[in-house]
Amino acid sequence: SAVISQKPSRDICQRGTSLTIQCQVDSQVTMMFWYRQQPGQSLTLIATANQGSEATYESGFVIDKFPISRPNLTFSTLTVSNMSPEDSSIYLCSVPGGRVLSNEQFFGPGTRLTVL
Amino acid sequence: SQQGEEDPQALSIQEGENATMNCSYKTSINNLQWYRQNSGRGLVHLILIRSNEREKHSGRLRVTLDTSKKSSSLLITASRAADTASYFCATGNSGNTPLVFGKGTRLSVIA
Repeated sequence: SAVISQKPSRDICQRGTSLTIQCQVDSQVTMMFWYRQQPGQSLTLIATANQGSEATYESGFVIDKFPISRPNLTFSTLTVSNMSPEDSSIYLCSVPGGRVLSNEQFFGPGTRLTVL
Repeated sequence: SQQGEEDPQALSIQEGENATMNCSYKTSINNLQWYRQNSGRGLVHLILIRSNEREKHSGRLRVTLDTSKKSSSLLITASRAADTASYFCATGNSGNTPLVFGKGTRLSVIA
């Protein structure tokens, strides 16, 4: 299993500002995933972050709004840019469990973002 | 896009009762997984069932999968107050692919 930490755990931000969320894994992983969970909703994939290449974004998410960095195999950041109240969500990073025939994932504790 | 639809959306039971949650999905899958989330925190993987399996057990958890109906159920037996959480099904494929999550069921177990 992988141990994942996220910073910050929560934040309250003003409209128009940006917040960078950090995700740290205790082992080297090729892929990391970023999900958004809006209040009372399920998880929606924002993007897949591979080390050494551009992140792959899902429909409805763009790099200008959610730039992602993946500088090494244990770390990634997600920035929520020019925030609006609609960005208030829990943001979670995850990594695959590593077994070839299974894609169970390990999740970080999440970052709870409130935009005023 | 979300693939899974879960019912019920919310379930409230007494401690000691069994809780059953259902999940339906739309496309072909390699596996289906169930996750638990406490109070908006990170998700914890509970159990995975492969597309060629029909039933799987883990402790007080029992998962069934019916690929002909594209549905799965999660049964928690002898529920405890500590089982209070949101439960999500998620579908995936082999390897390093992301998951597609259902809408989730909020379970409340009353002591």
